[in-house]
Amino acid sequence: QVQLQQWGAGLLKPSETLSLTCAVYGGSFSDYYWTWIRQSPGKGLEWIGEITHRGSTNYNPSLKSRVSISVDTSKNQLSLKLSSVTAADTAVYYCARGVPRITLMVVVMVPSSTPDSFDNWGQGTLVTVSS
Amino acid sequence: DIQMTQSPPSLSASVGDRVTITCRASQNIKNYLNWYQQKPGKAPKLLISASSSLQSGVPSRFSGSGSGTDFSLTVSSLQREDFATYYCQQSYNSPYTFGQGTKLGIK
Repeated sequence: QVQLQQWGAGLLKPSETLSLTCAVYGGSFSDYYWTWIRQSPGKGLEWIGEITHRGSTNYNPSLKSRVSISVDTSKNQLSLKLSSVTAADTAVYYCARGVPRITLMVVVMVPSSTPDSFDNWGQGTLVTVSS
Repeated sequence: DIQMTQSPPSLSASVGDRVTITCRASQNIKNYLNWYQQKPGKAPKLLISASSSLQSGVPSRFSGSGSGTDFSLTVSSLQREDFATYYCQQSYNSPYTFGQGTKLGIK
């Protein structure tokens, strides 16, 4: 049974840096795309970015200049940093496990190089940006 | 970015009803389409991946179909616990994008 547990500061002032951490309990850490997604009333669900256990990252271009996702494989944890926050970054932030699509190539099952769906989510952290 | 458009934005139905929610992609995404259910204060829950593959533990009254740009999620006989908000999401191209949601309420 995989569980994702996340934590971090919930109230920030404009221009500060958002910092969240997500711990993964159970299951493999190396076979998935560890992802951050946020949800706000104005923009709905928005994919922020992902990281593999090797540290390979992929970010949403709309946030790329401000976002950094890192991984600590010794603790099975991933972290999110979002710099220079504004009120527009107020949202519930989720970590999630991205599952690759497995395709049968002749006789070999090959996982995709991108996440196909998000099958396990953290409980969410409300981050409010206000002066 | 690929735009995902769901309809209707909200829907009222009764227990036992059959309901269908549709999702349209702004370009061909083959079958790279997932459906999620979200209840208030909770994280989204994956129901269906690859357009029609039901996740383990999800009741068989849920089904998904479609390919290309047009997709649908059907609940064959609504149960009380199905009243929630439903989202589609494309995984064809990064950035992965979600529909705006369909809120399914009790009539």
